[in-house]
Amino acid sequence: GQQLNQSPQSMFIQEGEDVSMNCTSSSIFNTWLWYKQEPGEGPVLLIALYKAGELTSNGRLTAQFGITRKDSFLNISASIPSDVGIYFCAGQRSSGGGADGLTFGKGTHLIIQP
Amino acid sequence: SQTIHQWPATLVQPVGSPLSLECTVEGTSNPNLYWYRQAAGRGLQLLFYSVGIGQISSEVPQNLSASRPQDRQFILSSKKLLLSDSGFYLCAWSARPWDSRTASNQPQHFGDGTRLSIL
Repeated sequence: GQQLNQSPQSMFIQEGEDVSMNCTSSSIFNTWLWYKQEPGEGPVLLIALYKAGELTSNGRLTAQFGITRKDSFLNISASIPSDVGIYFCAGQRSSGGGADGLTFGKGTHLIIQP
Repeated sequence: SQTIHQWPATLVQPVGSPLSLECTVEGTSNPNLYWYRQAAGRGLQLLFYSVGIGQISSEVPQNLSASRPQDRQFILSSKKLLLSDSGFYLCAWSARPWDSRTASNQPQHFGDGTRLSIL
């Protein structure tokens, strides 16, 4: 089935550095979401994007919905140890409150080195 | 506030045994409900979704089935488990928009998952 291409697969950074990750698709999505997952837990919603070109922030996190509707990025500024985890992008095709499921990227594993 | 509960948290089952995983949502009514499976180190794959009691849509052919006997209860089942059914199973819910003509999609919120190991 349809997949999102998420990169990078993993990131090894120093505390305090900025982080950038992105997702691309060959087809259009009407909603883009970014989740964070920690070991043994379900994904937790970070940011939801509903309009092409939309730029949304949540604390140190910023995400954008690409103009073409085929991509999105997530930036984390001034990383801290608790940012460690796996970050997933997800897209949803339906609009108007449709109930179809999400298509997920394979995740970006963020590791912060002391 | 809304909460979602999954149980059991972990489960070890022999090949060929039946399965029943349960998910319940509290603090909302008439939610959309979803079952996903996550293989180790990979993203989530949608298995089933439901827009109402008794209404189930299947996304992939497989050894599993889903049921929604009550508004806020979603069950994932199998009559006979396979080795390939091992994985991390996640339930999710999203709110139903008041007016589907003008509403945007509502984000999905996940439970803490069930780790299923087949021996």
